[in-house]
Amino acid sequence: SQQGEEDPQALSIQEGENATMNCSYKTSINNLQWYRQNSGRGLVHLILIRSNEREKHSGRLRVTLDTSKKSSSLLITASRAADTASYFCAPSRSYIPTFGRGTSLIVHP
Amino acid sequence: NAGVTQTPKFQVLKTGQSMTLQCAQDMNHEYMSWYRQDPGMGLRLIHYSVGAGITDQGEVPNGYNVSRSTTEDFPLRLLSAAPSQTSVYFCASSQGGLMNTEAFFGQGTRLTVV
Repeated sequence: SQQGEEDPQALSIQEGENATMNCSYKTSINNLQWYRQNSGRGLVHLILIRSNEREKHSGRLRVTLDTSKKSSSLLITASRAADTASYFCAPSRSYIPTFGRGTSLIVHP
Repeated sequence: NAGVTQTPKFQVLKTGQSMTLQCAQDMNHEYMSWYRQDPGMGLRLIHYSVGAGITDQGEVPNGYNVSRSTTEDFPLRLLSAAPSQTSVYFCASSQGGLMNTEAFFGQGTRLTVV
């Protein structure tokens, strides 16, 4: 299975702190994507990192990818209450993403 | 630009009833997929399509049928609903190609089978 496994399953922090989520996977990939899901809604794409990239930034998001360890991390800097959501990684060899159970992030104001 | 549209948003079925969950996208995407999301289980892939006329099974296909007669539509059929199919269903589409693998999701259909 290509799906990733996110860690931790739950994360609770204060506003202004950084939040780090990790993703591990088992097969070789072409790219890895991170998605966000607000409660009960559809997933929203955050960032894609290709297998030949090691780090990528988008606003307050920083994603790293280590293909030798088959792992990725998502860092959200200076978290806001509005960042409260579930976060999913999707390692992929194809165009159909598959997902793990996600990390539930709660940012307390 | 509507993106991915799912209908209905909510549905209650009796065990044994059949129904079709509709999914339409207006982005001319080749790839479409259906997922179900249960508490604590993340999203599990039910069926997917890589183009009109082409479908394949995902991780949890039993009890569901799909077809893809047009690029825009990818309906999911429950032939005989069971309580185990109570879930939130999401449809997604993506353009494909190494430069365009971002998936766009619908807002979901919350299905209860009693």
